[in-house]
Amino acid sequence: NAGVMQNPRHLVRRRGQEARLRCSPMKGHSHVYWYRQLPEEGLKFMVYLQKENIIDESGMPKERFSAEFPKEGPSILRIQQVVRGDSAAYFCASSPVSLGASYGYTFGSGTRLTVV
Amino acid sequence: GNSVTQMEGPVTLSEEAFLTINCTYTATGYPSLFWYVQYPGEGLQLLLKATKADDKGSNKGFEATYRKETTSFHLEKGSVQVSDSAVYFCALLHNAGNMLTFGGGTRLMVKP
Repeated sequence: NAGVMQNPRHLVRRRGQEARLRCSPMKGHSHVYWYRQLPEEGLKFMVYLQKENIIDESGMPKERFSAEFPKEGPSILRIQQVVRGDSAAYFCASSPVSLGASYGYTFGSGTRLTVV
Repeated sequence: GNSVTQMEGPVTLSEEAFLTINCTYTATGYPSLFWYVQYPGEGLQLLLKATKADDKGSNKGFEATYRKETTSFHLEKGSVQVSDSAVYFCALLHNAGNMLTFGGGTRLMVKP
């Protein structure tokens, strides 16, 4: 049973370009969470999605960032017009139910975005 | 709001030394508490968890006890190994929410 799959592992973008990060949850998981880890910091929540629905996007920057989790295919985190401050590791987690208190979530290996 | 505070690192220990990484939290109600470990270049792995007061989570020789009276969840290991070198994150999940709140992480370096 494959874990949470994220790709690419590393992504380099020039300022002003778009970055697309993909996350395929574990089989049977219908809840996806995106977190961002800035250098030397802890992880910060960005967005929580279920299939075709954004449940909580309270941690998403208001501009340039968007996320989706379509009925078919992986969840996508999209960053438009990237700036140097977007350089970070972006982690995706999934769970089979909405409350992961007894589960703890499964994280992917992350996508490390570098903006040059 | 919810918050998690960890001792700052790096923590440098010799092999077989005793490890304590302090973690305290602020939250209303009864959150669940977690320790995650991140090895270099990898994602986070769940190390252990506790879902109610006085629960003790344990795994791979690590353990942590949920102390509601001191709002703490300190991570301990009796004898660390070089392979334990990693960054350790304390986190909480409020039982009414869907997001994990993480501490800033503590880097552990174990020397042979």
